Order: sequence, then C-alpha cells, then structure tokens
Amino acid sequence: KAGVTQTPRYLIKTRGQQVTLSCSPISGHRSVSWYQQTPGQGLQFLFEYFSETQRNKGNFPGRFSGRQFSNSRSEMNVSTLELGDSALYLCASSNPSGGPGTQYFGPGTRLTVL
Amino acid sequence: AQSVTQLDSHVSVSEGTPVLLRCNYSSSYSPSLFWYVQHPNKGLQLLLKYTSAATLVKGINGFEAEFKKSETSFHLTKPSAHMSDAAEYFCVVSGYSGNTPLVFGKGTRLSVIA
Repeated sequence: KAGVTQTPRYLIKTRGQQVTLSCSPISGHRSVSWYQQTPGQGLQFLFEYFSETQRNKGNFPGRFSGRQFSNSRSEMNVSTLELGDSALYLCASSNPSGGPGTQYFGPGTRLTVL
Repeated sequence: AQSVTQLDSHVSVSEGTPVLLRCNYSSSYSPSLFWYVQHPNKGLQLLLKYTSAATLVKGINGFEAEFKKSETSFHLTKPSAHMSDAAEYFCVVSGYSGNTPLVFGKGTRLSVIA
C-alpha cells in the first residue's frame, strides 16, 4: 500500500498571501489529521476530518481551515499568511481498526513565509 | 486536559550502550500513550503504544516502554543503541477514545556517537 502523500513538499510564500496544502491518505483510511510543527511550539494539532466532517479542531485562528473530499483526500488552507506560519505541516491518516492514536504520517510540507 | 513532559531535550549515547528517554504524563482519565520517532526529513513513525493492556510494551527496532501509573511515567528504553537510532523521539498522549486528538511532547533528540 502506498503511504500518506503530501504535496507540495516545499513552498515559499510572502506575507498576506494564502496557501493550500494537499494530503492523500493511505487507501481505505477515512480519518485525516493535520499538525503544525515548529521549533518553538513543537507539534500542535490543527484539525481532524472523518468522512468529510471536521471531527476535532485545535486552538488555531480561523485563518487555518481545511476540508475533506469524498475520496478522503484532504486540503488545508491558510489565508493572510504571517511570518509565524512558517512551519512543517504534517498530515496523518488512520482507520478505526488501527486502534486509538495509531496514525500514519506523511513526509510533510515545509512552508516558508517571507 | 492531557499533557506529556519529556524530561530531556537532548540525549547523547555511545553506540552499543543503553538508551533511556524519559516521559511523564498527565491525564484526567486512563490514557493511551505512544512513542513516535522522526528521522530527518521524514514523517513520524509509530514505535510503540500502550492502551491499558500489558504495562511493558515492546515496539519496533528493539525499543520498549513501561507504563508506571504510580509515577505517571512512560519511559522509552533500548538495551543497545545503534547509529540508525539517531532521531527525534516524541512521547504522545491520547484519550482512550479514538476520536481524541494526539497531544505531543516537545521531543527528545537522540544522538548516537560511534
């Protein structure tokens, strides 16, 4: 089975722009979670989608949003980018049979905001 | 609220010597606990997990962890370090329900010296 894929792998944007990141989960996985990883704050949960519905949301401003499609692929969007949004954005997929907390992570998208 | 504290930000060991990465947790109910590993420029990989079964949990690559409720600890150990073990290690807590988001520790960077 192919693993979790994320596109693009690297992205450079300027302040005020918006960005869309994409995540394709492992085939058959219906849950997709997004995390932000920075040197200062570590790994922080952004949101989780299950069957096209947002099931959980972390403590991030409304500039961060996401969605999930019927094929379980997910996108996250960040509007009005700020310098502090520079981070590695990780996507993870899971299914109930794997048990709680067993998530499969993609390699991440490295976003740099100038 | 749940949280984990990784007691060391950086651990350095010689190849062939034991590894100990320390983690304390806080949870208002019976937690699920995990260790994930992140190699440079790669996504996170699940090493092992505790979900209220055996308190000594064995994972991949010779790692194991022991859940100690009285000490609220979940330390990760390995009898003999290998150069390929050099990576960032994250202790993670989740509620037992599969719908609860993962909460990550700040990470411990493991260096292995030849």
